[in-house]
Amino acid sequence: QKEVEQDPGPLSVPEGAIVSLNCTYSNSAFQYFMWYRQYSRKGPELLMYTYSSGNKEDGRFTAQVDKSSKYISLFIRDSQPSDSATYLCAIEGANAGKSTFGDGTTLTVKP
Amino acid sequence: NAGVTQTPKFQVLKTGQSMTLQCAQDMNHNSMYWYRQDPGMGLRLIYYSASEGTTDKGEVPNGYNVSRLNKREFSLRLESAAPSQTSVYFCASSPKGVGPGGYGYTFGSGTRLTVV
Repeated sequence: QKEVEQDPGPLSVPEGAIVSLNCTYSNSAFQYFMWYRQYSRKGPELLMYTYSSGNKEDGRFTAQVDKSSKYISLFIRDSQPSDSATYLCAIEGANAGKSTFGDGTTLTVKP
Repeated sequence: NAGVTQTPKFQVLKTGQSMTLQCAQDMNHNSMYWYRQDPGMGLRLIYYSASEGTTDKGEVPNGYNVSRLNKREFSLRLESAAPSQTSVYFCASSPKGVGPGGYGYTFGSGTRLTVV
């Protein structure tokens, strides 16, 4: 079993829709949770990181962590065509020094 | 521009050839990483370096060697390339040193390697 499983997608939504991207993880020792966005033929870029259960908001993006269920989500409100990309979740242990990535979900937002 | 610089951006090798992928960061980060990305398999860690002078194996180290030349530079070497090493290689860095993490990574733009 992989340490982190990500909903595979692909996902296609109309402009303005609310998007939900999800990952589950297996080890309760994981403490840090990140979301990256990767445009085609580019390197991933860090969108958000959090280390506690609950919600963290940044503009149109909200990261949600439920440690009791080992479940993390990224919500995108008022999605835009420029949000079309692959989104990767990543998790990290307290002193692990390295992240484990999900396989990514490819999102297309249609005008 | 501050960030992670990888060279070359593209490379085609013949089976059995060797090459070194270069990576440099100018953010004074402590940790550096090499990942490979293959379709349907996500990002897999090859090697990482938590500080200058230290390196550790990741998930898929076989066929690779690394050198943390100084705090800025972390190179990845393929001694005898194989078609299974055809992939996109990403270097990343993080402020994390000893102690808690969770800072996230800054990635380079990648090296697209084809081994024929």
